[in-house]
Amino acid sequence: RKEVEQDPGPFNVPEGATVAFNCTYSNSASQSFFWYRQDCRKEPKLLMSVYSSGNEDGRFTAQLNRASQYISLLIRDSKLSDSATYLCVAYNNNDMRFGAGTRLTVKP
Amino acid sequence: GAVVSQHPSWVICKSGTSVKIECRSLDFQATTMFWYRQFPKQSLMLMATSNEGSKATYEQGVEKDKFLINHASLTLSTLTVTSAHPEDSSFYICSARDTGDIQYFGAGTRLSVL
Repeated sequence: RKEVEQDPGPFNVPEGATVAFNCTYSNSASQSFFWYRQDCRKEPKLLMSVYSSGNEDGRFTAQLNRASQYISLLIRDSKLSDSATYLCVAYNNNDMRFGAGTRLTVKP
Repeated sequence: GAVVSQHPSWVICKSGTSVKIECRSLDFQATTMFWYRQFPKQSLMLMATSNEGSKATYEQGVEKDKFLINHASLTLSTLTVTSAHPEDSSFYICSARDTGDIQYFGAGTRLSVL
């Protein structure tokens, strides 16, 4: 079983749609969680950290449920520029594990 | 945010040659850097954790004699792919961790072995 699992998608949504990605992690000792965004043939870039209380950054909302070992990312009012692969990350003591990524395509 | 520089961005080489990739943290000191490999449409796969001043820790299945890692200073780690073969062709990405546990990635190196 993979340490971090994500639905690979692809998610194809129209502009303006709201889309949610889910992620589960198996290591209950994981301490920090992040969402990264990776564009085609580019390096991953940090999108946002994920806190237990949930956090929001503009159109993006991240949530963490430690009891269920579950992380989510909600994107509201999708833009064409949101098209990318979104990577869920669980971090524990110098050990950072990436999910395989969820591919999002936002269409006009 | 923090910047990590990776060089070169693209390498084409003949089978049997060695290729060296550099990873530098430009505005922070990184005691730990990471090397990943990514095949097309697949996730990042951690190859090794590079610790300044000590030997790298390799993931299971990664040959340490083939992928030589040197972390000689707090801002520089190098990965050398020795005797490269076509199956080593991939996208290699380094990252450096800051004091806040956030990893910043280099732009990656696309290696093509002919």
